[in-house]
Amino acid sequence: EVQLVESGGGLVQPGGSLRLSCGASGFTFNIYWMHWVRQAPGKGLVWVSRISNDGSSRSYADSVKGRFTVSRDNAKNTLFLQMNSLRAEDTAVYYCARDGGSRGFDSWGQGTLVTVSS
Amino acid sequence: SYELTQPPSVSVSPGQTARISCSGDTFPNQYAYWYQQKPGQAPVVVIHKDSERPSGIPERFAGSSSGTTVTLTISGVEAEDEADYYCQSADSSGSYWVFGGGTKLTVL
Repeated sequence: EVQLVESGGGLVQPGGSLRLSCGASGFTFNIYWMHWVRQAPGKGLVWVSRISNDGSSRSYADSVKGRFTVSRDNAKNTLFLQMNSLRAEDTAVYYCARDGGSRGFDSWGQGTLVTVSS
Repeated sequence: SYELTQPPSVSVSPGQTARISCSGDTFPNQYAYWYQQKPGQAPVVVIHKDSERPSGIPERFAGSSSGTTVTLTISGVEAEDEADYYCQSADSSGSYWVFGGGTKLTVL
């Protein structure tokens, strides 16, 4: 069974940093591209970042470019999102999702809540 | 960057047909995907590649495309279909992705 489990969320002050993790199991992690998607409370889904299967290609939404960094450790089946210079508007549930190619984002984690507040 | 535009809400009675539209300049060059999200749950893909239904998704869910608009159609709506629905697509390079603003489907 495919499983994605996010962790690392919590309360952080504006300007602070946080590192999210997404542990993967039940599939061959190193052949899949992966994404981060966020959802502010009561709002819609927003794509955040994408990383290729080997980590050589990365892309970011304009709203996080230069502040967030996506990475992965294929040996440990883990996806990361390093978030720096956090702002109140970054408050959201952060989901990791598997890119199933033509099948879309075919597996999602349960999400981890990040709250940016003083 | 580009945007995908969905109606904020759609309401139907049980057994009727619900249609949720999504418009964007990326269509028809890029595929559309549709996700269902129920309160407190992660999204689930219900349509991929414009009109294909993943295994396990009921046949009442269908996707279609015409020009710059794609449509999710739910025939014979059931109470359990009440949820938020999001369309999604990517730019031509596949590097940047976007979701529509979401449509809340209410089953009256």
